[in-house]
Amino acid sequence: QSVLTQPPSASGTPGQRVTISCSGSSSNIGSNYVYWCQQLPGTAPKLLIYRNNQRPSGVPDRFSGSKSGTSASLAISGLRSEDEADYYCVAWDDSLSGSWVFGGGTKLTVL
Amino acid sequence: EVQLVESGGGLVKPGGSLRLSCLASGFTFSSYNMHWVRQAPGKGLEWVSSISRSSSYIYYADSMKGRFTISRDNARNSLYLQVNDLRAEDTAVYYCATEKSPTAFDFWGQGAMVTVSS
Repeated sequence: QSVLTQPPSASGTPGQRVTISCSGSSSNIGSNYVYWCQQLPGTAPKLLIYRNNQRPSGVPDRFSGSKSGTSASLAISGLRSEDEADYYCVAWDDSLSGSWVFGGGTKLTVL
Repeated sequence: EVQLVESGGGLVKPGGSLRLSCLASGFTFSSYNMHWVRQAPGKGLEWVSSISRSSSYIYYADSMKGRFTISRDNARNSLYLQVNDLRAEDTAVYYCATEKSPTAFDFWGQGAMVTVSS
């Protein structure tokens, strides 16, 4: 059971806009930045979004992040077949001695 | 070009130990906090541990405390993870990843597979 809750799956057709949610609590998302990683099949993860809504250089502006309260979202617009991947949210959690926590991941299928 | 190369994985018997290494190149290793993240077969990502630039701050996931030890050698541009008393549930690909404000988990290695089986 992950500390951050994501839907296990999402889907969309090419060109559509899809959103992936990530729900946490006051000790993680509510008080810290959210990061999003993309993992293409058989590859290492890649950072997509940092500090809630910032994109590293090279990440297309089709990817955007937002945060409100104890929840965060990743939006992908103009969906492409190469966006089919697993997506993970991650945040620092202040509880106890502190730790980073990942969401369980969302498998995005491009129909 | 930033490169992180993990090594030291393999097949280990339950109760055994191993030390994973992550060799960094293409950036100033001593300026980055570092992480270990693992992924069991067919499962999601699980944060294991992190260490600050000068090893002053070390954190572990609660489930990893006691058997896992993270360390680094900035002179050798290397990160390590010592794992003792290995269990079947430790079977996973272990990744090292970087962190430097304002980003985190911005660069990842290709991963090292650890299989715990008799």
